[in-house]
Amino acid sequence: GAVVSQHPSRVICKSGTSVKIECRSLDFQATTMFWYRQFPKKSLMLMATSNEGSKATYEQGVEKDKFLINHASLTLSTLTVTSAHPEDSSFYICSAFDVDRRSFDFGQGTRLTVV
Amino acid sequence: GDSVTQMEGPVTLSEEAFLTINCTYTATGYPSLFWYVQYPGEGLQLLLKATKADDKGSNKGFEATYRKETTSFHLEKGSVQVSDSAVYFCALSPPGPGSARQLTFGSGTQLTVLP
Repeated sequence: GAVVSQHPSRVICKSGTSVKIECRSLDFQATTMFWYRQFPKKSLMLMATSNEGSKATYEQGVEKDKFLINHASLTLSTLTVTSAHPEDSSFYICSAFDVDRRSFDFGQGTRLTVV
Repeated sequence: GDSVTQMEGPVTLSEEAFLTINCTYTATGYPSLFWYVQYPGEGLQLLLKATKADDKGSNKGFEATYRKETTSFHLEKGSVQVSDSAVYFCALSPPGPGSARQLTFGSGTQLTVLP
């Protein structure tokens, strides 16, 4: 079964509102989680690395004030898309690193549509 | 920096055909190598991995061998099924025991298997 749970799987919101996406590691503690964005028929683009108990590390070109990341516990990281606009519509995927298995596990993804 | 070059798609095959998806990489040292599969509307699932030279990863009839001399990790399957239709991603993570390292992805290859 899934070891990383991402919620919601699909969300539609109005322009100007904020949306929170959760990523949970179910049976291991993840000090590091990753947030990706995927455009249609494209590969995954790393947005940021989420570190438990400290600030996230954002990739170049990703607005940290728009994409707020919180990693308050060893099993939960959240991505909040603030003041969403239609161009933020995309597929967002989280990943967690399991140190014991040296494995990257992925969530099911969240399809965000901003109308 | 690290990079992964993956065979351009899309690839269309008939059921029971032989599959090869090429993947080469550029990295220092001995990275870990992965193949992930993404079914429509879903996140990524680990298909197989290899962590050192000459290792062969295998799962569900798929195989890939870590070739240091050619810096390659080609994915193969002897007889594909319609259910194998998906997008396949080659990826690497830098070496480093017990530490979280971000994945570098290839561009993805869309595979369609026709009955």
